[in-house]
Amino acid sequence: AQKITQTQPGMFVQEKEAVTLDCTYDTSDPSYGLFWYKQPSSGEMIFLIYQGSYDQQNATEGRYSLNFQKARKSANLVISASQLGDSAMYFCAMRLQGAQKLVFGQGTRLTINP
Amino acid sequence: NAGVTQTPKFQVLKTGQSMTLQCAQDMNHEYMSWYRQDPGMGLRLIHYSVGAGITDQGEVPNGYNVSRSTTEDFPLRLLSAAPSQTSVYFCASSSPGRPSGNTIYFGEGSWLTVV
Repeated sequence: AQKITQTQPGMFVQEKEAVTLDCTYDTSDPSYGLFWYKQPSSGEMIFLIYQGSYDQQNATEGRYSLNFQKARKSANLVISASQLGDSAMYFCAMRLQGAQKLVFGQGTRLTINP
Repeated sequence: NAGVTQTPKFQVLKTGQSMTLQCAQDMNHEYMSWYRQDPGMGLRLIHYSVGAGITDQGEVPNGYNVSRSTTEDFPLRLLSAAPSQTSVYFCASSSPGRPSGNTIYFGEGSWLTVV
């Protein structure tokens, strides 16, 4: 069975610092995709970044990058130069190839302090 | 560009009542799904559909029905509401065959309280 583990229930970071949110996953399938979503207090799910299991390079989207370590089955999200607006819940999720079903972790609540 | 639209946004039900959460997408996506999010948890899959006329169960399907008569719509029916179904419900859609197929689009969520 597929599983996503996020071990940091909450993180507090000073504004402008970089932050790493941890995500480990478990699957025996060789083909899968990993997602990160942001959920602000308003509740919507905002797509941040995607990494495919066969992608040779780590994904980057603006201030977001994904530190993908396949052998360790980890897909950590790195936010550079954090901003107050980054305060939110962050979810890591996995989808197997050919399926459109996402398996989510329990999330990390990130708080950016001024 | 409406994307994924869910209605209603907020609903209070009494135990035993039935209701339908509506979900519509205007992107001609084949795949649609329903998730629920309980406090302090990630989303869990209720039901999903890979195309009109095709539905299947997810992780937590009990107490819910779905149908997919058109590509655009994927309603979620609560047959007899229970307090355990108090949750936030998200509808999602995607199209695996497109360049943006790695993107799964979510609606804004429907807050349901069963008393």
